[in-house]
Amino acid sequence: EAQVTQNPRYLITVTGKKLTVTCSQNMNHEYMSWYRQDPGLGLRQIYYSMNVEVTDKGDVPEGYKVSRKEKRNFPLILESPSPNQTSLYFCASYHRALDTEAFFGQGTRLTVV
Amino acid sequence: KQEVTQIPAALSVPEGENLVLNCSFTDSAIYNLQWFRQDPGKGLTSLLLIQSSQREQTSGRLNASLDKSSGRSTLYIAASQPGDSATYLCTVPNSGGSNYKLTFGKGTLLTVNP
Repeated sequence: EAQVTQNPRYLITVTGKKLTVTCSQNMNHEYMSWYRQDPGLGLRQIYYSMNVEVTDKGDVPEGYKVSRKEKRNFPLILESPSPNQTSLYFCASYHRALDTEAFFGQGTRLTVV
Repeated sequence: KQEVTQIPAALSVPEGENLVLNCSFTDSAIYNLQWFRQDPGKGLTSLLLIQSSQREQTSGRLNASLDKSSGRSTLYIAASQPGDSATYLCTVPNSGGSNYKLTFGKGTLLTVNP
């Protein structure tokens, strides 16, 4: 079954404590991306990756890092989380052919206190 | 810059009604348009994908249409049920150079009352 798997689903952490949200896809997609969803602001892109070792900033990259060492994995790293990073996070993957469906993970609800 | 607008922002209907959700986009050079459903605080469930060359797609009680030239898409839900209550999002991908970015509308919150 084609899927994008994020972990953890829920996370409560304290300000400044480094954390990583993992994302893995089993469809051999080239493109992967991270979005955050906030009330009234909708979904905004944080970072994206075209392929292994190729990553770049989206619209709201401040405070985040990513890496793409393997095609299937695209972790999101918060080196020093702050309360304004409290949000619902989604990982997405899609094929290089731009007329195909995008797949999303189940989401990670992050609360930074 | 692509902008996606969804109207109405919220809709409440009695069970059994047919309804239409609207999505408009400013840049008609799209590759496809995808409709998602999101339950409160949950993930995104893909409903329908319409290719840029297609006019409509159907899945069960759902029918999505696409008019690229006018920058519009509609999602038609027939015989609505309480289980259809959710937020419906439309999205279009834009390849701005190397960034295959999805631009989302803010969504339509649908409530179907028993």
